[in-house]
Amino acid sequence: GQNIDQPTEMTATEGAIVQINCTYQTSGFNGLFWYQQHAGEAPTFLSYNVLDGLEEKGRFSSFLSRSKGYSYLLLKELQMKDSASYLCAVNVNNNAGNMLTFGGGTRLMVKP
Amino acid sequence: ETGVTQSPTHLIKTRGQQVTLRCSSQSGHNTVSWYQQALGQGPQFIFQYYREEENGRGNFPPRFSGLQFPNYSSELNVNALELDDSALYLCASSGEEWFNYGYTFGSGTRLTVV
Repeated sequence: GQNIDQPTEMTATEGAIVQINCTYQTSGFNGLFWYQQHAGEAPTFLSYNVLDGLEEKGRFSSFLSRSKGYSYLLLKELQMKDSASYLCAVNVNNNAGNMLTFGGGTRLMVKP
Repeated sequence: ETGVTQSPTHLIKTRGQQVTLRCSSQSGHNTVSWYQQALGQGPQFIFQYYREEENGRGNFPPRFSGLQFPNYSSELNVNALELDDSALYLCASSGEEWFNYGYTFGSGTRLTVV
């Protein structure tokens, strides 16, 4: 079966740095996505990692270690608008196609 | 590009009824997938269609069914609605470069079963 774990909630201060961790146990691993979802809105694409290492995109970075089944999303220079849920999703290839298996999401609250 | 649009945005149905939700994929995308998201939880994969054929299914009973049309728009049908089917239903489309741009999600249909 597929199992993806991430913390339920985190709180951080405006201007600070926060790291959201995600661990996974899946078969047919074909990369890992991070999505941001504001309340009542569609998830929006942040990053995709398929190889080990760090990918940096502006204030957001994502890291993957396939041998450890571990990823994190790093948010720098936090802004109030970063308050949202962050979804870790493993892309699984089951020979029929790719499909996303999501964790429960991490609700991040940014305080002034 | 117009993104992914879903209709209706909100819907209230009675237990035992049937419902059809619609999704218009982003231009150029040939794959569509559907997800159920309960309040405070991550989306759960229902099924996926590629060029009008189902090519993946999650742990959902057969009363959840779908269609993809030649223009790559899609429908999700749910028969014999149960109270636990109350959730946000998300549609996502993807193209050949899904690894660069991810899956594009619509804003969802909020279904309430009473």
